[in-house]
Amino acid sequence: DTAVSQTPKYLVTQMGNDKSIKCEQNLGHDTMYWYKQDSKKFLKIMFSYNNKELIINETVPNRFSPKSPDKAHLNLHINSLELGDSAVYFCASSQDSTTNEKLFFGSGTQLSVL
Amino acid sequence: GESVGLHLPTLSVQEGDNSIINCAYSNSASDYFIWYKQESGKGPQFIIDIRSNMDKRQGQRVTVLLNKTVKHLSLQIAATQPGDSAVYFCAETALSGYSTLTFGKGTMLLVSP
Repeated sequence: DTAVSQTPKYLVTQMGNDKSIKCEQNLGHDTMYWYKQDSKKFLKIMFSYNNKELIINETVPNRFSPKSPDKAHLNLHINSLELGDSAVYFCASSQDSTTNEKLFFGSGTQLSVL
Repeated sequence: GESVGLHLPTLSVQEGDNSIINCAYSNSASDYFIWYKQESGKGPQFIIDIRSNMDKRQGQRVTVLLNKTVKHLSLQIAATQPGDSAVYFCAETALSGYSTLTFGKGTMLLVSP
């Protein structure tokens, strides 16, 4: 009965590879997000989708491509992985983007690029 | 006591003490504030929120204080327990429009038995 679930929990890969992280929420929320947390625990928004439509893209390299097949899913595909992409990536959801109510977060995907 | 470590400000307290975690927010237009708790290996978890038309809100063992004049937010945890050990984030946003939730730097709370 996990509210926001993302897979995998850990992802270790080589530079240059392409990888995907999946996220699903069963809260019936309209809006989903991807956040990146660096080694200093700083959380920064990457993308926001509302009802499958992109509404926020915070100057993220175009190697990162989010995809939302339906409003319950927001996947993150990363091409040509670089060392600097190593971080913890969190998926989140909220009821409605226009009211900016509280976010519910997944448990994170720790990405290590070697 | 409170110290600024290499990466995160850290607050170390004894079990049973009251803890106060502070946050300075940046945007005068922000009118909604949230405190999140992040335990090791987990995602941030909502603790308590407050809107700008209030200056204090209480939950179970937690109180949030908002001072809009100096753009300061604090989280008070009463009778701190070892299970409260985590990183705490304040976050700010504007309730209307597509304003994103902006997170503060985070404070690590360490509770000793």
